Amino acid sequence: GNSVTQMEGPVTLSEEAFLTINCTYTATGYPSLFWYVQYPGEGLQLLLKATKADDKGSNKGFEATYRKETTSFHLEKGSVQVSDSAVYFCALSGRGGGFKTIFGAGTRLFVKA
Amino acid sequence: GAGVSQSPSNKVTEKGKDVELRCDPISGHTALYWYRQSLGQGLEFLIYFQGNSAPDKSGLPSDRFSAERTGGSVSTLTIQRTQQEDSAVYLCASSLVRRGPGETQYFGPGTRLLVL
Repeated sequence: GNSVTQMEGPVTLSEEAFLTINCTYTATGYPSLFWYVQYPGEGLQLLLKATKADDKGSNKGFEATYRKETTSFHLEKGSVQVSDSAVYFCALSGRGGGFKTIFGAGTRLFVKA
Repeated sequence: GAGVSQSPSNKVTEKGKDVELRCDPISGHTALYWYRQSLGQGLEFLIYFQGNSAPDKSGLPSDRFSAERTGGSVSTLTIQRTQQEDSAVYLCASSLVRRGPGETQYFGPGTRLLVL
């Protein structure tokens, strides 16, 4: 079945550091890929998505590229801020799974000033 | 409303009691989802509604869990005879159309349930 694996946290960075959170997936066909973010005390919200191979999703300085060859969708940001501290979830939905959205376990990011 | 709302925000109950959790989706959203988020875990899918019907109940962990949706809007998740392992944050999400490719879900703030 479809699945998502993302790097375990917590990840602790200093402000302005480069961020990478790895995400790999297993799916039949060509799923859509998502990153959701959960800020402290808030609900999950969509950060970015990509619906086909080689697409790049971007938002708020974050980027992720849909890599079919490596079945990956790693999240990157060039310079993190304290306000980026949150839990980040990689997710996919695909025809093979009846378009059920499958979420990774989440990666908690702490950014220090 | 402006977003998905859930109530109560926190619920503490005793083992064996029944609880009801409510979700009010974004107006006009036909798809509604319930998830469970246990401490340190990812999101566990529970049930999916399209309108008032539930084509996918595959995630409900036991027959103590049930959910309904009325008027294509509000949904209630009921847990009967609660157990300590039911303690978690219960999240509701809605989306504009039926479950499909690239669909974006909008999440509520969750209900934090603690079973003593």
